[in-house]
Amino acid sequence: NAGVTQTPKFRVLKTGQSMTLLCAQDMNHEYMYWYRQDPGMGLRLIHYSVGEGTTAKGEVPDGYNVSRLKKQNFLLGLESAAPSQTSVYFCASSTPGLREGSSYNEQFFGPGTRLTVL
Amino acid sequence: AQSVTQLGSHVSVSEGALVLLRCNYSSSVPPYLFWYVQYPNQGLQLLLKYTTGATLVKGINGFEAEFKKSETSFHLTKPSAHMSDAAEYFCAVSASLFNKFYFGSGTKLNVKP
Repeated sequence: NAGVTQTPKFRVLKTGQSMTLLCAQDMNHEYMYWYRQDPGMGLRLIHYSVGEGTTAKGEVPDGYNVSRLKKQNFLLGLESAAPSQTSVYFCASSTPGLREGSSYNEQFFGPGTRLTVL
Repeated sequence: AQSVTQLGSHVSVSEGALVLLRCNYSSSVPPYLFWYVQYPNQGLQLLLKYTTGATLVKGINGFEAEFKKSETSFHLTKPSAHMSDAAEYFCAVSASLFNKFYFGSGTKLNVKP
């Protein structure tokens, strides 16, 4: 049981390049999330998904797109990378609560992707 | 709206001393509260969580936290620090649909020998 995995672990891009970060989970979780972590700012939610084929914007969605074509995978895309997107990106997953939409279950995190945009 | 404030971006204690990491939250509905730990170059690992019931919650590695509604606080404590506790700690609140979390800015704990 690998939990939540992220690919790649590290990446360096030049301004304007594009890339896709892959998140995979093997826990059959309905909900998946993408965060960015910057020094002194904690984790901020970029986008999230509550099921296959659905996505929604989080706190800081600009410059990112996502897709959830399969329940176990959640992709984060940068179409035209900018230096402000230099960050560590974390994927997480969770189950719904006992009642649909309830909010008490922990999120399980991947190991992160360190992205540098030059 | 939900938000989390962690007082003190860096806390330093001696090995064997009490650890106290502060977390205050703002929530318009009854909150669910979490503490996560992040070791260098790793992801976040759950330490403990409060959902309902007993307000004193025990977690892994000897940590505990107390939910105080009147003070809107969820401070993390450990009676005796160990060198292996050196890490960054994040408080989070979930009080919205679809289990969205709102994280504090984190507190880095340094443990001196």
